[in-house]
Amino acid sequence: EAGVTQFPSHSVIEKGQTVTLRCDPISGHDNLYWYRRVMGKEIKFLLHFVKESKQDESGMPNNRFLAERTGGTYSTLKVQPAELEDSGVYFCASSQEWEPGAFFGQGTRLTVV
Amino acid sequence: AQSVSQHNHHVILSEAASLELGCNYSYGGTVNLFWYVQYPGQHLQLLLKYFSGDPLVKGIKGFEAEFIKSKFSFNLRKPSVQWSDTAEYFCAFIHGSGNTGKLIFGQGTTLQVKP
Repeated sequence: EAGVTQFPSHSVIEKGQTVTLRCDPISGHDNLYWYRRVMGKEIKFLLHFVKESKQDESGMPNNRFLAERTGGTYSTLKVQPAELEDSGVYFCASSQEWEPGAFFGQGTRLTVV
Repeated sequence: AQSVSQHNHHVILSEAASLELGCNYSYGGTVNLFWYVQYPGQHLQLLLKYFSGDPLVKGIKGFEAEFIKSKFSFNLRKPSVQWSDTAEYFCAFIHGSGNTGKLIFGQGTTLQVKP
């Protein structure tokens, strides 16, 4: 069974540019989460999808971040325009409703210069 | 505010030494507790979890953790570490009785095991 996959693994962009991160959850997992870890700090929740609906987006930093999950399968997280403080590792995770915890992808390391 | 405190940010041990990583959470209600591990270059993996029942939880690779409700703690232990345990360890919780919901993580503890 394939795990959670994220693309790209690394991205270096200039301040002001746009970047789109993608997450493919484990097939059949309705729950999809995005998290972010800024260097040296804790992993922080961004948002939670149940199928294609946003269940909780309380962790989204501001309106420069837009997450979508069309069709309830893969998800994208767009940052537009990127700022220096957006640098960090973005993790995606997925789970079944009856499954405790979540399965994580390897993360996308975003560097804004 | 809901938070997790991991007391040790960086731990260095020799092989065969015993390990205990501290974790305290801040939340007054029911919690589900987790330890995750991230080996170098790999994704976060679930090490063990506590939902209910026996507060002493056994996980993979010989790790265990004990939930002490009165102390809001969920410390991770291993009697004898190996070089392959070198990794970053994260304590986390989900509040409420549901199995889904956002994980609240600690800052992580980097464990370096010297051969």
